Amino acid sequence: GAGVSQTPSNKVTEKGKYVELRCDPISGHTALYWYRQSLGQGPEFLIYFQGTGAADDSGLPNDRFFAVRPEGSVSTLKIQRTERGDSAVYLCASSLAGGKQYFGPGTRLTVT
Amino acid sequence: GESVGLHLPTLSVQEGDNSIINCAYSNSASDYFIWYKQESGKGPQFIIDIRSNMDKRQGQRVTVLLNKTVKHLSLQIAATQPGDSAVYFCATPTRNQGGKLIFGQGTELSVKP
Repeated sequence: GAGVSQTPSNKVTEKGKYVELRCDPISGHTALYWYRQSLGQGPEFLIYFQGTGAADDSGLPNDRFFAVRPEGSVSTLKIQRTERGDSAVYLCASSLAGGKQYFGPGTRLTVT
Repeated sequence: GESVGLHLPTLSVQEGDNSIINCAYSNSASDYFIWYKQESGKGPQFIIDIRSNMDKRQGQRVTVLLNKTVKHLSLQIAATQPGDSAVYFCATPTRNQGGKLIFGQGTELSVKP
């Protein structure tokens, strides 16, 4: 079956612009996670949804970052007033409750 | 806070040899560990996991060993192939926090033909 998909695969934006990154989880997976991966590092947790609600957003670096999952399926990560330091690969993962996390291919964000 | 770390950032092996990738963790209460493989331009892919009530678990060409006394785990890949070239991460979920994963920095495995 289809895995986790993320769009776009690459996004180049100018400093100060707003971006949206989309994640389509595996059908039926109730949990959805966003991670950020900088070059040469392991993924770092940003936010976790159980259903429609954000169960844990402790990894969001500041209030420029926001994520939604209005119908409990697709999720969008939103970044306002982007900064060069936001450049990274943004990974999405989904799972059944308490189950293995399956990752998407990521969106590579470059802020110029 | 909790952390996981890998001993070597890079590992180069000859095709056909066995590979051993190591990882240490800080929280003695951690009870579940996962190894992921990440190829260039792709997301992490689940390889194998182990719970703390086990010392060893085997998969296809891979074995994970867990030493709870020294808080160390290793991933062994038998008869390493060029397709095994990737970055390998160990990860553990934070306890009572919805299962968000804490990752190590990764070891890049290069397989020489």
